[in-house]
Parts: sequence; structure tokens; C-alpha cells
Amino acid sequence: DAKTTQPPSMDCAEGRAANLPCNHSTISGNEYVYWYRQIHSQGPQYIIHGLKNNETNEMASLIITEDRKSSTLILPHATLRDTAVYYCIVRVDYGQNFVFGPGTRLSVLP
Amino acid sequence: ETGVTQTPRHLVMGMTNKKSLKCEQHLGHNAMYWYKQSAKKPLELMFVYNFKEQTENNSVPSRFSPECPNSSHLFLHLHTLQPEDSALYLCASSQIPPQTNEQFFGPGTRLTVL
Repeated sequence: DAKTTQPPSMDCAEGRAANLPCNHSTISGNEYVYWYRQIHSQGPQYIIHGLKNNETNEMASLIITEDRKSSTLILPHATLRDTAVYYCIVRVDYGQNFVFGPGTRLSVLP
Repeated sequence: ETGVTQTPRHLVMGMTNKKSLKCEQHLGHNAMYWYKQSAKKPLELMFVYNFKEQTENNSVPSRFSPECPNSSHLFLHLHTLQPEDSALYLCASSQIPPQTNEQFFGPGTRLTVL
């Protein structure tokens, strides 16, 4: 699976959009981009995933660049409860192994 | 109960003890997983069970012994652990195919080995 690079930490003001970047420059054609988050001492929570097209659900939007070498997770209106470590993971379509990196620690500030 | 549950939530054991971690999923999934999360380290996949059959063992020491009696339950039997095995042990489940389906995680068992 391709390696991902994320900033170690970010801050966001409550009520503003949080934009979390992820670089995956070695991604191949059959690899999906997943986003999970982990609130302190809890299990990871699935957020969203995509292959090529932008995706949106009730939690977030995922924007994947045309060359697929990077993506951005957007939380449109961040709340204090969105404070967590966010993981960007790239995984092949036939694999079940999620390789979690260190992620981005997002702090939503009042 | 909904989602993925794990018991106990906290466990302290000595190196000579034998204990078991339990995971139950209430989502009707057919694949289950054990992950380990040590302090300041990323999550590591330990075992994968598809349709109750173990399909992946990521070089896990034999002192960790998984068991999957049915598609809803997963156990991790522990014996003669070391202090470095202290970690958060997470269970997850998913529905396959496709393998791209997301995994749902339980809250984890915080294990301390003395």
C-alpha cells in the first residue's frame, strides 16, 4: 500500500471549516483513500473513503486531486467534539489491512 | 447492544497469567480483526478472520492466540505476556465483499502487563 504524509497537528476555530491535507504521491490506480479519526482512548471511527471522485457524506467531504497524489478531508463546521487524531490511509481494493500512520492531531478551539 | 463491543475495557495482568479478550459485533458482518495500538505507535493489524477462518497473521507472537467461534464473536487469548505487550487492543469488523468496505472498530481493551 502507498505511504501517506500528513501534518502532525493543526488547529481550527470552532464553527469554521477544517481542511486536513494528505499526500499520497505513490498511490496506484487500484488504491482507495480512506479517512478515519480517533478520539482520545476510543476506537477509530470511519469517516469517508473514495477512489477518484470527490465524496460527501453527513460527516465530511473528501476532495481528491485529479492526479490522485493528494487529498483533503473537509469538516465543514468543526465543533469541539471533532478534536481527534485524523488518519489518512491508502489501501488496495483487494486488501483488508488498514495501515495507520501517525495521523494529524486536530484541535478545535473555542 | 449496537456496533462492536469489547470486554473487558481495562485489564491488568501479571506475566504468568492467562486471560482472554472478547469482542462481539452486532452488525451482521462476516470479517473480524484484531489490532494493537501501543503508546506513541500507530495501530498494527494482528489477525484477520473472514467467515470464521483466519486469513492473516501479521507475525504475531504465539503468546497471542485468536479464536473465532462464529462470525459475531472474536477472542484473543493471552498467556505469558511481557510488559511491552501493554497496549490498547482494538477489535473491528467489516462486511466483505467488497474488501473496500469500511471497518467498524470497538472501544478497545486497555491492557497493562505487570
